[in-house]
Order: sequence, then structure tokens, then C-alpha cells
Amino acid sequence: SAVISQKPSRDICQRGTSLTIQCQVDSQVTMMFWYRQQPGQSLTLIATANQGSEATYESGFVIDKFPISRPNLTFSTLTVSNMSPEDSSIYLCSVASGGRAGNEQFFGPGTRLTVL
Amino acid sequence: AQSVAQPEDQVNVAEGNPLTVKCTYSVSGNPYLFWYVQYPNRGLQFLLKYITGDNLVKGSYGFEAEFNKSQTSFHLKKPSALVSDSALYFCAVRDIPGNTGKLIFGQGTTLQVKP
Repeated sequence: SAVISQKPSRDICQRGTSLTIQCQVDSQVTMMFWYRQQPGQSLTLIATANQGSEATYESGFVIDKFPISRPNLTFSTLTVSNMSPEDSSIYLCSVASGGRAGNEQFFGPGTRLTVL
Repeated sequence: AQSVAQPEDQVNVAEGNPLTVKCTYSVSGNPYLFWYVQYPNRGLQFLLKYITGDNLVKGSYGFEAEFNKSQTSFHLKKPSALVSDSALYFCAVRDIPGNTGKLIFGQGTTLQVKP
């Protein structure tokens, strides 16, 4: 299994500002995923980040709002830009355990974001 | 499109009793199904998965799940619940075809185990 850490673990931010969330994995992985979990709701995929290529965004999420970097096989960042209270969520980084479709994903502890 | 449904927002059981958390799925091909648990203020932890083979899958912490193709279900079970099992449980399906690796999650079911 992969060990995933995220920074910060939580933050309280003002409307209109931006926050960058870091995700570090203890092993090299090809695919990294960023999810959002709004209060009391399920997880929604924001984007898939492969090293060396542009991130692929899901419907309803755009690069200008959620820019992602993937500089190497163990690290990624997600920025939440021009924040509003609706962005208050838990943001989770996830990695696939291998290249096969049957492999499970592992998740970081999450970043709890509150926007005032 | 692939999807999963968890029909119960909350399940309440007494400690020592068996528990079942329900999940149904909709896929266009063979399903790749997963169960995850989320404890308060923590990330998701993988419990078990069904890819192929035996319909009864055993996982972590004494949990198991039964794959039923005819009923398109993948219910999570445990013979004897513990108070420490109280958490939020998610069923998920992998997005196939395309093998993008994307997991699609159900709405989640809160399990409350009372002493």
C-alpha cells in the first residue's frame, strides 16, 4: 500500500484568496487523483493528474479554478483559486496501487478547507 | 454510465449483532467493486474489492462482501459488529471501459453500532 501525506491538514481562508494543497506519496505512482468531499456528501473526482501531461478535469471542474501540478512521480499540488464559501470541503489526494483496473486506490488524510 | 447506489443513509445495529450495509451497482461490463471506510477526521481506508472469482470477498477488520450478479448488489457484511466499526462507509465502482482509473462513489452510509 502507498502512504500519502497532505499539507495543510486544515485551513480557514478568506473569500477571494487561493490555497495550494500538497500531496506527497512514499512511492512512485503514475496516476494521482484529486477528490472533493463537500459537507455530508460523497466524494467527487476533480481531476486526474499524470506526470508529464496536463491534468484531465471532470465535468464541472476547470483548470482556472483548480490548477494542478504534477512535477514528478511522488508529488502533486492542487490549488483552489479565488475561493468562495461554496469551496468549503475536504480535498483528498488519491493514488492507484498499480496499472491494472482491479487495483485499489489509496487516499491521503484530506485537507479540510473552510472559506469565510 | 457506471454508478453505485447506497439506499440507506444510516444503519443502526447493536454491538455483537450482524451488520449489513447495502450497495447496488450499474455497469456496462464486468464490475470492479470496492468498499471503503471513513472514520471521523480521517481519510478513506480500503476494506475490500471484488474483481472476479468467489462471490464472497473477505477484507480488513473482519468485513466481507457478497457479490450478486443477478441482483447487481455488493453488500458489505460483518458477523458481529463492534462499537469501533461506527463510521461512514462508501461503495465504489471503477469506471470501465476506458480504464481511466476513476472511482465512482456511492452516497455513503453511516453505520452506528451501539453498546
